[in-house]
Amino acid sequence: EAGVVQSPRYKIIEKKQPVAFWCNPISGHNTLYWYLQNLGQGPELLIRYENEEAVDDSQLPKDRFSAERLKGVDSTLKIQPAELGDSAVYLCASSFGTSGAETQYFGPGTRLLVL
Amino acid sequence: SQQGEEDPQALSIQEGENATMNCSYKTSINNLQWYRQNSGRGLVHLILIRSNEREKHSGRLRVTLDTSKKSSSLLITASRAADTASYFCATDRTGTASKLTFGTGTRLQVTL
Repeated sequence: EAGVVQSPRYKIIEKKQPVAFWCNPISGHNTLYWYLQNLGQGPELLIRYENEEAVDDSQLPKDRFSAERLKGVDSTLKIQPAELGDSAVYLCASSFGTSGAETQYFGPGTRLLVL
Repeated sequence: SQQGEEDPQALSIQEGENATMNCSYKTSINNLQWYRQNSGRGLVHLILIRSNEREKHSGRLRVTLDTSKKSSSLLITASRAADTASYFCATDRTGTASKLTFGTGTRLQVTL
């Protein structure tokens, strides 16, 4: 079974430029998550989707971040414009179900460096 | 914001020794999970313990949960070099609709 796929794996951009990350969850998983992980810290949730609906985006900085999950499968996370402080690893995860007790499966992440 | 804090922040042991790491959290939970993250890779789920459970085992892993002290511990027995990784606890807080909140992690180094 293929795992969660993310691309690109690495991205270097200059500040004020836009950037986009793509995630393909495990087939059949209806819940998709985007996390931000700073160096030496645990992941922090940015947004959670149940199918096409964003059910928790309270931690998403909506002035510069946006996300979509068309057709309830793949998802993209966009930053426009990027700032120096956005340098981090962006992790995508998926799960089947929404009870809170299900296992989340993580992709390898996209490491973003903003210069 | 981080819900939990792992202790110690870093741990170095020799292969064959046991490793114990602790997690403290702040609010009541439905369940607590432990994840492992190898360098430069995504997180892998290890074990889940529900709020009405006190101890759980999976292979060389033993997890305990003390809801009165709002703490959990992860014990890895007979450690191997391949156990070198960062370990995170994640809590599903009561009333947050299945949102996992991760701790700050313990970095474990197992040397030969």
